Amino acid sequence: NAGVTQTPKFQVLKTGQSMTLQCAQDMNHNSMYWYRQDPGMGLRLIYYSASEGTTDKGEVPNGYNVSRLNKREFSLRLESAAPSQTSVYFCASYLSGGTYEQYFGPGTRLTVT
Amino acid sequence: AQRVTQPEKLLSVFKGAPVELKCNYSYSGSPELFWYVQYSRQRLQLLLRHISRESIKGFTADLNKGETSFHLKKPFAQEEDSAMYYCALSPTGVGNMLTFGGGTRLMVKP
Repeated sequence: NAGVTQTPKFQVLKTGQSMTLQCAQDMNHNSMYWYRQDPGMGLRLIYYSASEGTTDKGEVPNGYNVSRLNKREFSLRLESAAPSQTSVYFCASYLSGGTYEQYFGPGTRLTVT
Repeated sequence: AQRVTQPEKLLSVFKGAPVELKCNYSYSGSPELFWYVQYSRQRLQLLLRHISRESIKGFTADLNKGETSFHLKKPFAQEEDSAMYYCALSPTGVGNMLTFGGGTRLMVKP
């Protein structure tokens, strides 16, 4: 039981490049989330998926797109990376009616130059 | 909209000293409050939540609705408590939607 996994762990992009961050969970959770973590600002929600087939914007969605590929996988895409998107990205999952806890992945550290 | 404020970015104490990490929130309804912790090279994980009224690793937190605060306390800090602590609010009450504070880094010195 790996919990929540994220790939890659590190990535450096040039401005304007695109990439997709992958997230998968093996806990049969229905909800999944993407956050970004910036110093002094805590974690801010980018997008979430309450259930398979649905996605919704969070607090800071601009410049990102998501896909809930199936119940296990939730990917985050940067179409044209900008230096302001330099951050640590966390994926999380949640089971409705469970322990009230969101389970987090190990994070992806992204640098955009 | 809800907001969570953690006024201290860094809190440094000596081992054995009491610790209080402050958390203030603004929300018009009755939220559920959580403390999440991230130890070095580990994942962010739930430490405790208001509704359970538990003491986890010696930490407790009391919800003060009058002062809209949810401060995290421990009477005697240990070096292994050194970590990043985040206060979070769930307007739905069940933790599926969270608004996080900016975080406080706790350093416990030997």
